[in-house]
Amino acid sequence: DGGITQSPKYLFRKEGQNVTLSCEQNLNHDAMYWYRQDPGQGLRLIYYSQIVNDFQKGDIAEGYSVSREKKESFPLTVTSAQKNPTAFYLCASRPPTGGRADTQYFGPGTRLTVL
Amino acid sequence: QKEVEQDPGPLSVPEGAIVSLNCTYSNSAFQYFMWYRQYSRKGPELLMYTYSSGNKEDGRFTAQVDKSSKYISLFIRDSQPSDSATYLCAMKGAGNNRKLIWGLGTSLAVNP
Repeated sequence: DGGITQSPKYLFRKEGQNVTLSCEQNLNHDAMYWYRQDPGQGLRLIYYSQIVNDFQKGDIAEGYSVSREKKESFPLTVTSAQKNPTAFYLCASRPPTGGRADTQYFGPGTRLTVL
Repeated sequence: QKEVEQDPGPLSVPEGAIVSLNCTYSNSAFQYFMWYRQYSRKGPELLMYTYSSGNKEDGRFTAQVDKSSKYISLFIRDSQPSDSATYLCAMKGAGNNRKLIWGLGTSLAVNP
């Protein structure tokens, strides 16, 4: 049963704490993405990775960090430097070249709330 | 001006109506066009994928791309309450590493 999993589904954080959101895929996709979704603002790209051990900043990378040590895993850390971290976070992956190589497949999301 | 414009709605229709959802864009280099459906508190799921201009049909859903007008549409026939969701358009240019550019999404409610 292939897919993308994100954990936890809900996460609460106190101000000043770092938290790490998990994203795992067993689709054998090389490219993975992290988005943030806020009401009225659509999907905004935080970081993306085209291949293991490589990643690039997206449009709103400040206050976030990632790693890509394994093909299957792309964790996102929300640091205390992120001024307004309360949001819905979505992880996605993309098939390799050929066919629908432009599409992205999403996980179920993690809702982060800062208390 | 955003690269992709999409009216956020909300759009409310009675069950059985034909729904038309639209996006306009400014970048003539876009060649790949997608529609995603997102239910509340869930991740988006790919609904329709179209390359370049033309129509594509899948069951009750039809995607249209008019590159000359820089306009894409998603039509839903015989709409059902289960179609109530947010619909996001996304597009990109040629090249495997280009990022998807997203619309804001249109919230649709189909009332029984």
